[in-house]
Amino acid sequence: DVKVTQSSRYLVKRTGEKVFLECVQDMDHENMFWYRQDPGLGLRLIYFSYDVKMKEKGDIPEGYSVSREKKERFSLILESASTNQTSMYLCASSPRGADTQYFGPGTRLTVL
Amino acid sequence: QKEVEQNSGPLSVPEGAIASLNCTYSDRGSQSFFWYRQYSGKSPELIMFIYSNGDKEDGRFTAQLNKASQYVSLLIRDSQPSDSATYLCAVYDATSGTYKYIFGTGTRLKVLA
Repeated sequence: DVKVTQSSRYLVKRTGEKVFLECVQDMDHENMFWYRQDPGLGLRLIYFSYDVKMKEKGDIPEGYSVSREKKERFSLILESASTNQTSMYLCASSPRGADTQYFGPGTRLTVL
Repeated sequence: QKEVEQNSGPLSVPEGAIASLNCTYSDRGSQSFFWYRQYSGKSPELIMFIYSNGDKEDGRFTAQLNKASQYVSLLIRDSQPSDSATYLCAVYDATSGTYKYIFGTGTRLKVLA
């Protein structure tokens, strides 16, 4: 069965903290994605990766970085969390090519 | 800027009726089209995907694609209260050579018992 897991369902952090969000997939997918979802704005792509150690900026990469050292794991890093980064963060993966994405359960991050 | 447009709703239909959800997209190079269902507080789950013009049926769900008019729709027959959710349309952008999916903001469906 397809499985994408995220390290936390809920997270509360303080402004200025460094935040790590982790995503793991067990489907041997090449592509992995990080989105944030905000009311009225839909899903916005932050970063994606199509191979180990490869990364591409999405539509809103500012304030974020990513790491993909192993095929199954894709980490999103908030270098210095700010209140405007309070959001639902969704990780997804897909096999190479035009195919479906499978989403993790999401992490609701609150930055105080 | 490539876009996917959906009416935000809410679209309210009575139980047992057909719900019709629509989506338009701006990029003619788009190849793959997806419908996701998202319950409140949960992550999106795939319902249907369609690649070719015409209809594709899966149980109570039918996806319709018209590339000439650049729209894709989702029909839900015999709507149930459990179908109440937000439905996201997504388009795969193959023209740039990357693996980007573009999502609409979703249509909220309410099925009234």
